[in-house]
Amino acid sequence: KQEVTQIPAALSVPEGENLVLNCSFTDSAIYNLQWFRQDPGKGLTSLLLIQSSQREQTSGRLNASLDKSSGRSTLYIAASQPGDSATYLCAVSPPLNDMRFGAGTRLTVKP
Amino acid sequence: DGGITQSPKYLFRKEGQNVTLSCEQNLNHDAMYWYRQDPGQGLRLIYYSQIVNDFQKGDIAEGYSVSREKKESFPLTVTSAQKNPTAFYLCASSVNSYNEQFFGPGTRLTVL
Repeated sequence: KQEVTQIPAALSVPEGENLVLNCSFTDSAIYNLQWFRQDPGKGLTSLLLIQSSQREQTSGRLNASLDKSSGRSTLYIAASQPGDSATYLCAVSPPLNDMRFGAGTRLTVKP
Repeated sequence: DGGITQSPKYLFRKEGQNVTLSCEQNLNHDAMYWYRQDPGQGLRLIYYSQIVNDFQKGDIAEGYSVSREKKESFPLTVTSAQKNPTAFYLCASSVNSYNEQFFGPGTRLTVL
């Protein structure tokens, strides 16, 4: 059964710092991997989707990489801002549906 | 505006009551999903539907029921058989089972 782990559970950084969030999964037979942002009490906002055949995706200050063979993905945030403070979740889709989520990393960017 | 709506935002239930959470999408997506989120845990899949009039159980379907009579709508009923229903419920949809999922704003259910 696919398990998704996100480390660290919480992270606090000063404004302007570059940072990396980690996601690992136990079964490399995935269809795609998605990174989401969740603000307190809100739904999830999709940030980046990486298909299994891709190695990375970029959107603005965000860059996500995928290494299927090692079961790892990273989300890189450049020049962090206080508005980036949120919980970031990764999720993997196996070939037959049933997306699996990590518990998330709660990010605080201090001004 | 295209998107996914959930109502109500907050819902309070007494012990022994059934309640229904609404999820509507106007994105013309075939697939729809219901997740439950508890503090400090990842989302867990309750039910999903790949097409109208069809749905499958997820990991934690016990005590829940769904219907998919229209493409746009996927209501979730939390029955009295669900022993610990207090949680944040999220609905999502996607073009099909293999595409990016888009989420609604969520419904917070509290049992009094």
